[in-house]
Order: sequence, then C-alpha cells, then structure tokens
Amino acid sequence: SYELTQPPSVSVSPGQTARITCSGDALPKQYAYWYQQKPGQAPVLVIYKDSERPSGIPERFSGSSSGTTVTLTISGVQAEDEADYYCQSADSSGTYRTVFGTGTKVTVL
Amino acid sequence: EVQLVESGGGLVKPGGSLRLSCAASGFTFSSYSMNWVRQAPGKGLEWVSSISSSSSYIYYADSVKGRFTISRDNAKNSLYLQMNSLRAEDTAVYYCARVLSDGMDVWGQGTTVTVSS
Repeated sequence: SYELTQPPSVSVSPGQTARITCSGDALPKQYAYWYQQKPGQAPVLVIYKDSERPSGIPERFSGSSSGTTVTLTISGVQAEDEADYYCQSADSSGTYRTVFGTGTKVTVL
Repeated sequence: EVQLVESGGGLVKPGGSLRLSCAASGFTFSSYSMNWVRQAPGKGLEWVSSISSSSSYIYYADSVKGRFTISRDNAKNSLYLQMNSLRAEDTAVYYCARVLSDGMDVWGQGTTVTVSS
C-alpha cells in the first residue's frame, strides 16, 4: 500500500526555521496537503496543493515540492507552532484513496 | 460560519454497530465531496471513506471496506457513517471533513467511538 514518510520529530528554537519533509513515490503526480494538529483539537489545513496557503494561515508557513519529497517550512517559529504536522496526498495508482503521512511532532525549545 | 458537527459516538461492544452523523452549515453542502477520517488514541490520522457531492463515487480504506458504509442526505445537509461489525481497532476519534481538491479544508471537532467489552 502507498505510504508517506515523515520524520517523527523536529526540534527548533523560537525564531528559527523548521523544515518538515514528506516522501512518497506518487508525490510528483499528486498534490500534497499539510495539516497542523494541536493536542485535543481537530486538524487545521495550513498548506494545500503543495504550496498554497489558506486564508488566515500566517505567512511563516510555506510549502514546496521537489520530486518525491514535499517540504513544509515554518519560518520564524513561534511557541504556538508546537504541534503535530501531517502531510496528505492521494494514491495515484487508480484506487482513489487518500493517504496521510506518519506525522511529525514539532517541539519549540 | 462554515461548520461541521459530528455526533453519534459512544461505547459499543465488539461486533456491534454505530451510526455517526455530521451536520454541515454555512456552505452549500451539496457542492462538496466529504470525507471521514479517524485517529486512534495516541496515533496518527487515518482516512476512512470518501463520498462525492452527488453520492456517485464512494471509496473506502481497506481496513473498513465491507463493514462501514458512507452516505449523505443533501436535503438535510448531513453526512453519515454506518459502522458494523466493530472491532477494538476501530476505537478512535472520528472526524468529518470537507474536501478541497484532494485535501480537506474544514474539519469537525470529532466524535469518539470506543469498542470494548
């Protein structure tokens, strides 16, 4: 089955830049989406279609894509950015299934 | 305000059934595909099922295929998930979410399903 792989954790100091990668064979053919989830809360979409930012999402959140890897970048990290982050994409094999990445815990030191 | 509100969760014995509902408001529900996504305690997000705006296209994760049924009533602005033959591994918070392209831009607050004897 199709998988999206993320690092389990990323640690960053306030004001620095956090980069979270997501790898998957179908990513060159399918858009990626990124979600932020804080404890006890529902996920929130922070990036769609690889690099688009929904209204209301701070400009410090950005996305990029290169080959089989997509990256979520948080520039000038703030304490409130501490959360779990998940990438998500679609399986391109014709099964029309949605797949989530394994998730990355971002810790602000 | 665009909103999704899930209900119907609870405690059920293995092999039992439960029907989840998701009430939509603040947008034209009939224009959007919808998803169910779940999250087991301490685990990541898992896509469960998708339904197109007119119910023409329906998809399931392998883990629930044959046991769960997704449906919708556009006249009532509601999404449903009928869950049968429940197992302990179905224990999770279940979210409904509005589909934006292949992603999900609006999520409900979730409803908790616990499968235990």
